[in-house]
Amino acid sequence: AQSVSQHNHHVILSEAASLELGCNYSYGGTVNLFWYVQYPGQHLQLLLKYFSGDPLVKGIKGFEAEFIKSKFSFNLRKPSVQWSDTAEYFCAVNAPQAGTALIFGKGTTLSVSS
Amino acid sequence: DAGVTQSPTHLIKTRGQQVTLRCSPKSGHDTVSWYQQALGQGPQFIFQYYEEEERQRGNFPDRFSGHQFPNYSSELNVNALLLGDSALYLCASSGGQGRFGEAFFGQGTRLTVV
Repeated sequence: AQSVSQHNHHVILSEAASLELGCNYSYGGTVNLFWYVQYPGQHLQLLLKYFSGDPLVKGIKGFEAEFIKSKFSFNLRKPSVQWSDTAEYFCAVNAPQAGTALIFGKGTTLSVSS
Repeated sequence: DAGVTQSPTHLIKTRGQQVTLRCSPKSGHDTVSWYQQALGQGPQFIFQYYEEEERQRGNFPDRFSGHQFPNYSSELNVNALLLGDSALYLCASSGGQGRFGEAFFGQGTRLTVV
């Protein structure tokens, strides 16, 4: 069965620090990859997605992620975080051959202090 | 353009009761998926509806059932509620002719079973 692992449960950073959140998935075939963010009191929003092509994808608010197929990874990065980035971040995977469901990781809570 | 809307936002039910949650998809979307998000966990896929039929189902018991109406709105029904059914229930819409794409999430319904 497909699964998604997010390595960090809670990350605490100061403003302007760099961010990298790890995500690994277990599925050997073609995958679509996503990072979603949930700001306090708001609904899940898409940060970025990878379907095919350039493995380095750029999303909203200065976030980017790199798909490394050989490592089954899709890590999220941001060079300089802001207080407003405080949120919960979810990595999600879809395996088209298995249907259209999204499989989510458990999430990483990011706290940014000003 | 309204996004995904869910009702109610909160409700409290007693063990053994039945509950119905409702979802209106984003305009132009024809596919609705339901997810359960327990506290501290990522969303877990329950099932997906397209063309008024259940297209894919996750690992949830038959107590969880659903329906999609001709206007693409959807209901999630849970029978014989258990304490463990307490969670945030998320609806996501996607598609256009059933194609997989970015999923847009509603704010969820917080169900508490006492």
